Amino acid sequence: GAVVSQHPSWVICKSGTSVKIECRSLDFQATTMFWYRQFPKQSLMLMATSNEGSKATYEQGVEKDKFLINHASLTLSTLTVTSAHPEDSSFYICSARGIGSPAGELFFGEGSRLTVL
Amino acid sequence: DAKTTQPPSMDCAEGRAANLPCNHSTISGNEYVYWYRQIHSQGPQYIIHGLKNNETNEMASLIITEDRKSSTLILPHATLRDTAVYYCIVNSGGSNYKLTFGKGTLLTVNP
Repeated sequence: GAVVSQHPSWVICKSGTSVKIECRSLDFQATTMFWYRQFPKQSLMLMATSNEGSKATYEQGVEKDKFLINHASLTLSTLTVTSAHPEDSSFYICSARGIGSPAGELFFGEGSRLTVL
Repeated sequence: DAKTTQPPSMDCAEGRAANLPCNHSTISGNEYVYWYRQIHSQGPQYIIHGLKNNETNEMASLIITEDRKSSTLILPHATLRDTAVYYCIVNSGGSNYKLTFGKGTLLTVNP
């Protein structure tokens, strides 16, 4: 099956710093990528939808200036958590839909665990 | 997209079939039923999807009732590695194919 890779898989940073998480589709081109966040013992919460070459669409309540998303190519999307605070500590997961894939069939990355001290 | 209801948890003996129910009584005609699972601390994994007819692949079978108001995911021979949270999602495949995850069912396969 299609592979989506995230990097880093885990990161620890100090409060106030920025962290960038990469999401790559390794063997297919992804026109649309989605970023989710998951807190412990909770379900995934969609943060934003990213289309290649255009601005991301953020879900209600997600600060676009804090969570910067860039989808510069058909195989790479990045999420930058700016001025991170301890409450931003979470499991961040990206997913991608390939060109021509059935609607709703998404491939997910392994997730990136962010811990802000 | 229509809302789904799943039991919070289920247990299954290793080697037996696991039948996971999902209620989606408000599903509309153009909405598909998708199943994903998430093993602890990993990203979700696509399992199967269907519209009206029953579907089967190498991982599971999906049985959708004739009125499409409910469905059952069947893992024919559950293994310990099938222990995960299983999500039933209804999606119309709209412009951005967004998937909204509910709380899912924690399936625990016991030896």
